[in-house]
Amino acid sequence: DSGVTQTPKHLITATGQRVTLRCSPRSGDLSVYWYQQSLDQGLQFLIQYYNGEERAKGNILERFSAQQFPDLHSELNLSSLELGDSALYFCASSGGTSYEQYFGPGTRLTVT
Amino acid sequence: DQQVKQNSPSLSVQEGRISILNCDYTNSMFDYFLWYKKYPAEGPTFLISISSIKDKNEDGRFTVFLNKSAKHLSLHIVPSQPGDSAVYFCAASRGYSSNTGKLIFGQGTTLQVKP
Repeated sequence: DSGVTQTPKHLITATGQRVTLRCSPRSGDLSVYWYQQSLDQGLQFLIQYYNGEERAKGNILERFSAQQFPDLHSELNLSSLELGDSALYFCASSGGTSYEQYFGPGTRLTVT
Repeated sequence: DQQVKQNSPSLSVQEGRISILNCDYTNSMFDYFLWYKKYPAEGPTFLISISSIKDKNEDGRFTVFLNKSAKHLSLHIVPSQPGDSAVYFCAASRGYSSNTGKLIFGQGTTLQVKP
């Protein structure tokens, strides 16, 4: 158990809909990262938050947004969903001066 | 542009023997490298890391070697056990030189350890 929790574990929704994925980092970790793993792709970095502020952005679509709340949990919002958004979405956290990231179990999103 | 590459999609070894997983990178600005293991339906699990100022790091059965001039790193698992069967991802970061620890991942290598 990495200490990072993600909900829900599975999500099935229709094209055009909007969903919210939730992540709680390990206790004390200030950084939260979101990654996407599509069927034939490796893990792709989406976005990082550090103590409530956006720190870095990857190839995140404009239809996607994220935020980190004062209690340090983070939410990834995906809107106007397309079939190609079906993927595993992982959250990871890190703390202090360490660059090791600890991953949650992921949310499997299926868009039909 | 794939900055981190794992050219072997799969590897099969006998229990007790050495497993060697390889990873190449193109960006000389990477200064921190990590290996993760992933089982199906689970998130990646951190295994071992190495900073660019070192050329070797050991943790139990796992050793990572870094060759900066060749932009190559490898993970050695000795001895290999059936429970090591999983997908292994190499990842790189510019953590020390940038304000972010975002990871760039390779495509993964599926290791099968046969009893």
